[in-house]
Amino acid sequence: GENVEQHPSTLSVQEGDSAVIKCTYSDSASNYFPWYKQELGKRPQLIIDIRSNVGEKKDQRIAVTLNKTAKHFSLHITETQPEDSAVYFCAASGNYGGSQGNLIFGKGTKLSVKP
Amino acid sequence: GAGVSQTPSNKVTEKGKYVELRCDPISGHTALYWYRQSLGQGPEFLIYFQGTGAADDSGLPNDRFFAVRPEGSVSTLKIQRTERGDSAVYLCASSPLARGTQYFGPGTRLTVL
Repeated sequence: GENVEQHPSTLSVQEGDSAVIKCTYSDSASNYFPWYKQELGKRPQLIIDIRSNVGEKKDQRIAVTLNKTAKHFSLHITETQPEDSAVYFCAASGNYGGSQGNLIFGKGTKLSVKP
Repeated sequence: GAGVSQTPSNKVTEKGKYVELRCDPISGHTALYWYRQSLGQGPEFLIYFQGTGAADDSGLPNDRFFAVRPEGSVSTLKIQRTERGDSAVYLCASSPLARGTQYFGPGTRLTVL
């Protein structure tokens, strides 16, 4: 089945710097890649997603890039702010086996933005 | 509009007891997913409903776990003979269609003593 690896597990940056989180996936049939932000004790919230027919997507300070050949995708946050501090999860889903869009998640990256 | 809601927010039970966890999806969303999140991990898929039927239950860990969605809206996850290893946050997500964007509820934190 699909396996998603996420790195780094923790990331500390100064306010205003950029942060990059990387994920790799194993199944070439995966075609949807969302990113979720989860604050302590809160629900995962979708921040951006990308489908396999697109190589890059941007929304204000957040961007996601996808390399289908290498089977990896990355989250880029520019001009980080203290409120960006949270755990970020990447995920993948696709039309493999009996899958109906269930997400396979990475283990998460704890981002700390220091003022 | 209202998001996905889950009740209770916290549930403490004793080993061997039966528990029910409820999920109210976003109105009109036909797809509903249950996930389980252990401390320090990403959510793990349990079961998927499309309408009233369980279209994919391949993530359920064993036959102590069961879920229903009788009217195609509210879903209940049922756990029999709870074990300490069942302790986790149980998350529900809904989507307007299969393979669409999933919106998560706040989760139910289950603690089995």
